[in-house]
Amino acid sequence: DAGITQSPRYKITETGRQVTLMCHQTWSHSYMFWYRQDLGHGLRLIYYSAAADITDKGEVPDGYVVSRSKTENFPLTLESATRSQTSVYFCASSAWVALRGYTFGSGTRLTVV
Amino acid sequence: GESVGLHLPTLSVQEGDNSIINCAYSNSASDYFIWYKQESGKGPQFIIDIRSNMDKRQGQRVTVLLNKTVKHLSLQIAATQPGDSAVYFCAELNSGGSNYKLTFGKGTLLTVNP
Repeated sequence: DAGITQSPRYKITETGRQVTLMCHQTWSHSYMFWYRQDLGHGLRLIYYSAAADITDKGEVPDGYVVSRSKTENFPLTLESATRSQTSVYFCASSAWVALRGYTFGSGTRLTVV
Repeated sequence: GESVGLHLPTLSVQEGDNSIINCAYSNSASDYFIWYKQESGKGPQFIIDIRSNMDKRQGQRVTVLLNKTVKHLSLQIAATQPGDSAVYFCAELNSGGSNYKLTFGKGTLLTVNP
């Protein structure tokens, strides 16, 4: 189906483990984004990408790594998960932000124990 | 309104009433604005947008008002329904600057009582 999909939907991992959250979009949108959403902080930008092989840090990038070898995929990796990374993670994509903004995925709820 | 501390501002209305949700944006150079709706357990969803050359824009049951003088945005929902219960937040863009990075407000929780 067309759209933007995130996987897994829910994930529980242990402190210190590496975990990768997947994001796939079918529109060939140039821009892709990773946000985390926490109560009291709203949406905070972790990383973004303007095109394949072009990525840049957002406001809270520490502890995260991204890659974008293909336009449609933008995985987010937590290299060594910490409890402070427990959050809901949203991926978003856009072709032209000034036309209807971003389209968001359904989110991944990550719990680090 | 904007959130303060750990709790979202909340608005509680009766089914059938009109709702008004407010947002103060931060950048006077912003020229494009969006309202998003986020239902529990879901990602944010586009509702309506407005450009800075407009003061008002209407959609289906929703109206967005923009006051650039005081940097204020509002979302009006007519005849509010239980399905409108969600968190609503605004986003702003300076298309002449970083033209792909939206800045999001923290949101308002709307609860519709049947």
